[in-house]
Amino acid sequence: GQQVMQIPQYQHVQEGEDFTTYCNSSTTLSNIQWYKQRPGGHPVFLIQLVKSGEVKKQKRLTFQFGEAKKNSSLHITATQTTDVGTYFCAGGMNTGFQKLVFGTGTRLLVSP
Amino acid sequence: NAGVTQTPKFQVLKTGQSMTLQCAQDMNHEYMSWYRQDPGMGLRLIHYSVGAGITDQGEVPNGYNVSRSTTEDFPLRLLSAAPSQTSVYFCASKTSGAPYEQYFGPGTRLTVT
Repeated sequence: GQQVMQIPQYQHVQEGEDFTTYCNSSTTLSNIQWYKQRPGGHPVFLIQLVKSGEVKKQKRLTFQFGEAKKNSSLHITATQTTDVGTYFCAGGMNTGFQKLVFGTGTRLLVSP
Repeated sequence: NAGVTQTPKFQVLKTGQSMTLQCAQDMNHEYMSWYRQDPGMGLRLIHYSVGAGITDQGEVPNGYNVSRSTTEDFPLRLLSAAPSQTSVYFCASKTSGAPYEQYFGPGTRLTVT
């Protein structure tokens, strides 16, 4: 079945450093979504990318969707302690329900 | 709006017991789904529904049943709990069209001994 791998599994940075997580799908995706989950919380939607090569920014967060629509990345510039959490990508299938296959997540820890 | 609500927050079951995890949403979303989250494995889809009376299996449906009698409610039933079902369970809902953002409930942490 379809798999979505995410690396790294874990990253510990000092506040102010940059952070990037990468997502790779075994199959071509119709879209990709990114979610953030704070410790003890539930996933919260960040963004959806649909077009090949698409780049979107949200303040310090930059999201990219690969040209082949099989990979994606999330880059955080100048991390803050509020960025702590686990970041998940989720690959969307072009079906009526838009099933999502979640990546394994990258846990980010930011030290002040 | 309360969004997506789930009960209970925590539950401990003995092997073989059955129980129902409750999920409700007040956003009039057509699509609802259940996921389980295990360490290092992300979220995996158990069952989903595209509307009242319509359900289908996801990636890991064995040992679970669902029904959708109303738009608002989507309960998940564990028929005979097993230790392998120890996990955190999330219910989610979304509209049938764009945007495809999923709204997650707060989760139920289930331990089966």
